[in-house]
Amino acid sequence: EPEVTQTPSHQVTQMGQEVILRCVPISNHLYFYWYRQILGQKVEFLVSFYNNEISEKSEIFDDQFSVERPDGSNFTLKIRSTKLEDSAMYFCASSRTRTNEKLFFGSGTQLSVL
Amino acid sequence: SQQGEEDPQALSIQEGENATMNCSYKTSINNLQWYRQNSGRGLVHLILIRSNEREKHSGRLRVTLDTSKKSSSLLITASRAADTASYFCATDGPGGGADGLTFGKGTHLIIQP
Repeated sequence: EPEVTQTPSHQVTQMGQEVILRCVPISNHLYFYWYRQILGQKVEFLVSFYNNEISEKSEIFDDQFSVERPDGSNFTLKIRSTKLEDSAMYFCASSRTRTNEKLFFGSGTQLSVL
Repeated sequence: SQQGEEDPQALSIQEGENATMNCSYKTSINNLQWYRQNSGRGLVHLILIRSNEREKHSGRLRVTLDTSKKSSSLLITASRAADTASYFCATDGPGGGADGLTFGKGTHLIIQP
């Protein structure tokens, strides 16, 4: 069964450094998302992406965050200058049809900012 | 913003028993979905129920939705050890995608063999 893949599974970085989290969505999907889950807390929406542009973004997704689909398969989340509070599990997801219906999630990237 | 809030926060039952989890939310919705998360893994979509539906079945899963009470329940019948996981409800508002899905904190279900 096709799946969303994310790399790396773990990322440790120093505060202030830039990180890029990578995702390969399912190939025939049209909508892409990033969510994050701080340990012990809810899964939170960051951004949705469709037709090569951001569809929606949450208050969390400030100027330090950006997303890109550099080619036909990858979808990346960049955090320009990481803060301690960015430490979380970051999930990429994709869906085939309209936004927010039956999302397929990757296994996540655990980001630790020291 | 709308919120999905599950209860109980944790549930431990014997294998073979039924497990019921509840979810409440605050604003109107397009649909409500349930996801499962095994420890350290991503979320897996289980079932979606639209705002004009009251009940839906998928295998051993039964979901109900009461829009007047802004609540939903997920019933897993004849539970198995492999059902041990966290279960989340997620709501999608009438904006059709604005703010993405809103997830609750989840119910951690433990099935004792």
